[in-house]
Amino acid sequence: DVKVTQSSRYLVKRTGEKVFLECVQDMDHENMFWYRQDPGLGLRLIYFSYDVKMKEKGDIPEGYSVSREKKERFSLILESASTNQTSMYLCASSTQDSLDSPLHFGNGTRLTVT
Amino acid sequence: AQTVTQSQPEMSVQEAETVTLSCTYDTSESNYYLFWYKQPPSRQMILVIRQEAYKQQNATENRFSVNFQKAAKSFSLKISDSQLGDTAMYFCAFMKYNNNDMRFGAGTRLTVKP
Repeated sequence: DVKVTQSSRYLVKRTGEKVFLECVQDMDHENMFWYRQDPGLGLRLIYFSYDVKMKEKGDIPEGYSVSREKKERFSLILESASTNQTSMYLCASSTQDSLDSPLHFGNGTRLTVT
Repeated sequence: AQTVTQSQPEMSVQEAETVTLSCTYDTSESNYYLFWYKQPPSRQMILVIRQEAYKQQNATENRFSVNFQKAAKSFSLKISDSQLGDTAMYFCAFMKYNNNDMRFGAGTRLTVKP
């Protein structure tokens, strides 16, 4: 089974701090994604990556950046955390081997910015 | 851009009964994929069922089935013989053909009552 691991389940940070959310997958998937989940809004795509050192903006990239130095790891960075970034963050991965490859998700990181 | 709409924020059903969750989407694509994901309180997103748009036959996975109406751009999920373990958030998702970028609806919170 695919395992997608997010480094923290809960995280509390202060406004203005630099925050790193880490995600690692163990199935050699080419694609990796970061979503944020908010009540009534569902999952919204922040950034995604189809290959090492490659990144593409999703629907809500403002205030975020990402890093993919190795195939298995995709990091989400909040350069200066703000209270409106309090949310649940979900990492996902998928393979490019099939056209309809579903996403495999991590357990999420609930981030609170105070 | 594709949009996915789930018009039922919350639903409930008695154990052993049948419930249908609605999903509509908007796209100009002719080939695409549709998915239903389940997110129980553990927060782990689990793929429930998927449907290829070019297939007319509705997908079925045990107690879960879909009613795919391509012309109406509707993709509802039917859960038969509901079980307590079906209590979760359910997300409908859309993915373009040959593009692993997935878009989600706002979700429906389903409660199965004993």
